[in-house]
Amino acid sequence: DIHMTQSPLSLSASVGDRVTITCRASQSIKSNLNWYQCRPGKAPQLLIFDSSSLNDGVPSRFRGSGSGTDFTLTITGLQRDDFATYYCQQSYSVVRTFGQGTRVDVK
Amino acid sequence: QVNLVASGGGLVKPGESLRLSCAASGFTFIDYYMGWIRQAPGKGLQWLASISGTGAYSRTADSVEGRFTISRDNGRKTVYLDMDSLTVEDSGIYWCARDGQSGASYAAFAYWGQGILVTVS
Repeated sequence: DIHMTQSPLSLSASVGDRVTITCRASQSIKSNLNWYQCRPGKAPQLLIFDSSSLNDGVPSRFRGSGSGTDFTLTITGLQRDDFATYYCQQSYSVVRTFGQGTRVDVK
Repeated sequence: QVNLVASGGGLVKPGESLRLSCAASGFTFIDYYMGWIRQAPGKGLQWLASISGTGAYSRTADSVEGRFTISRDNGRKTVYLDMDSLTVEDSGIYWCARDGQSGASYAAFAYWGQGILVTVS
């Protein structure tokens, strides 16, 4: 199975900050990488698919990049609604796998 | 619009079985893989299983292989997760989600059900 490793596992930031989360795959997954935002009591929300494509309705302050084994989610101008946990997930293999999650909380 | 409504959760004892169901609407069901994902208390997201549009192909996470089985009924537009020999570690919130479209160049869990609670105690 493809193992996904996120870093950092948690970070503290302020409104307006630029936040970067990385995700590394244990083997090449081309661009088959998705990012989700999770908030307590809500279903996960797809932010980015296919490494860099913004899902409908997702603000442009979210940006995804990368290919192969190394990927990045960047939030430029953090907003209150963005304090949440973020997960990467590979869809290269039908045996889907998620990263451990990165919690973004208030500094 | 796409809608996924999950049902079947609840409180069961260790060793018992449970069937989760997820009724879909708003899209051509047979065209899409469907999946199940869970989150145990205080833990991250864990993919459990996915099944192809026709149901001919499915995969299950190693951690639940042999105990959990995914299936679908395209006539009823419903996907199921049969869970056997449940343990306390299987407690958590379970979601069904629409996976990728058959033949597409990418796949993602773009739509999720409302999440249902399974408690094994």
